[in-house]
Amino acid sequence: EAGVTQFPSHSVIEKGQTVTLRCDPISGHDNLYWYRRVMGKEIKFLLHFVKESKQDESGMPNNRFLAERTGGTYSTLKVQPAELEDSGVYFCASRSNGYGYTFGSGTRLTVV
Amino acid sequence: DQQVKQNSPSLSVQEGRISILNCDYTNSMFDYFLWYKKYPAEGPTFLISISSIKDKNEDGRFTVFLNKSAKHLSLHIVPSQPGDSAVYFCAASASGSARQLTFGSGTQLTVLP
Repeated sequence: EAGVTQFPSHSVIEKGQTVTLRCDPISGHDNLYWYRRVMGKEIKFLLHFVKESKQDESGMPNNRFLAERTGGTYSTLKVQPAELEDSGVYFCASRSNGYGYTFGSGTRLTVV
Repeated sequence: DQQVKQNSPSLSVQEGRISILNCDYTNSMFDYFLWYKKYPAEGPTFLISISSIKDKNEDGRFTVFLNKSAKHLSLHIVPSQPGDSAVYFCAASASGSARQLTFGSGTQLTVLP
């Protein structure tokens, strides 16, 4: 079984630019989550999809962040325009119906 | 306001000895607790979990203890091995929250050969 795939693994962009992160979950996993770790702190929840629907986006920092999940398969997280405080590692995770999450390796975003 | 706290940012242990990592939580709605291990440049990987109806769960060298009255859990690794060196995250979830995880800030464990 293929794991959760995220790309790019690293992205360095200038403040004000746009960046799009992609996540391919494990096939058949209806639940897809985005989390973020900033400056070595705790990993924080951003949002949760069930299939193509946003179940909970209470963790999204502001309206510069837009997440989509096309046809209930892969998901994208767009940051537009990026700010310095958006730097961090963005993790995607998927889950079937049990408790078990599988995380991707993350995208390290650096805004300069 | 952190609902899950790991107050020790780092811990060093000699190989073969016991590693004890601690975690405190404040939200009494949490009913499922997990430990994840994270190596550099990788995502968190699941290690062990415990439901709030239990107070102990073992899996090989790893044991998680839950003290609900104190809102405290701990992860014991015995014996510790150099390959256990990683960042360990405590996480909690509540039923009805679509199993969204609330993480602590992590503890860097270093096992010295």
